[in-house]
Amino acid sequence: SQQGEEDPQALSIQEGENATMNCSYKTSINNLQWYRQNSGRGLVHLILIRSNEREKHSGRLRVTLDTSKKSSSLLITASRAADTASYFCATRRSNQAGTALIFGKGTTLSVSS
Amino acid sequence: DGGITQSPKYLFRKEGQNVTLSCEQNLNHDAMYWYRQDPGQGLRLIYYSQIVNDFQKGDIAEGYSVSREKKESFPLTVTSAQKNPTAFYLCATRDRGGEKLFFGSGTQLSVL
Repeated sequence: SQQGEEDPQALSIQEGENATMNCSYKTSINNLQWYRQNSGRGLVHLILIRSNEREKHSGRLRVTLDTSKKSSSLLITASRAADTASYFCATRRSNQAGTALIFGKGTTLSVSS
Repeated sequence: DGGITQSPKYLFRKEGQNVTLSCEQNLNHDAMYWYRQDPGQGLRLIYYSQIVNDFQKGDIAEGYSVSREKKESFPLTVTSAQKNPTAFYLCATRDRGGEKLFFGSGTQLSVL
């Protein structure tokens, strides 16, 4: 089962523009994470926002979290061609068996120069 | 990708054959995970292990098996029971008490 769903599925912008992608999830969370994946590679962690935080910044990244709407957004400012990648949100699922991250289907970002 | 080695990078499976994907880590992380990624799709959890000699099924465990005999290693076997194995397989680790996952560079499995 996939906890998070990203929107849009694909996004094409020009260099210098901002890119915004959204994530919706279904159940209550402790935190939400964003990852990036370059084509044919593994994922890389970008940023984590906890359930008691509303906004977090890291360089050109800005993440917001609205727990009442069960949604998060990732904003990349002043996009560069090197930002071209797929971006995934992930939430933690914990049960008696242990803890695992559940990922959404991702947003594919294309930044053209 | 540093610290997590997945091999081989490309693997081909014949009908009825079992194949094993390797995942080795030198990060001294306790938890290890296997995910499957189909084209244009997100990651789906196959198996995970919190400690040595223990592992749990994820959402799509049927047709797969794992072992965790050493902390550093978490091999995934794709059995002949998995009828649609073509996918990109990703191994990940997590440190005890940590939240984020560290990923290997993946193995692309295709059926001949």
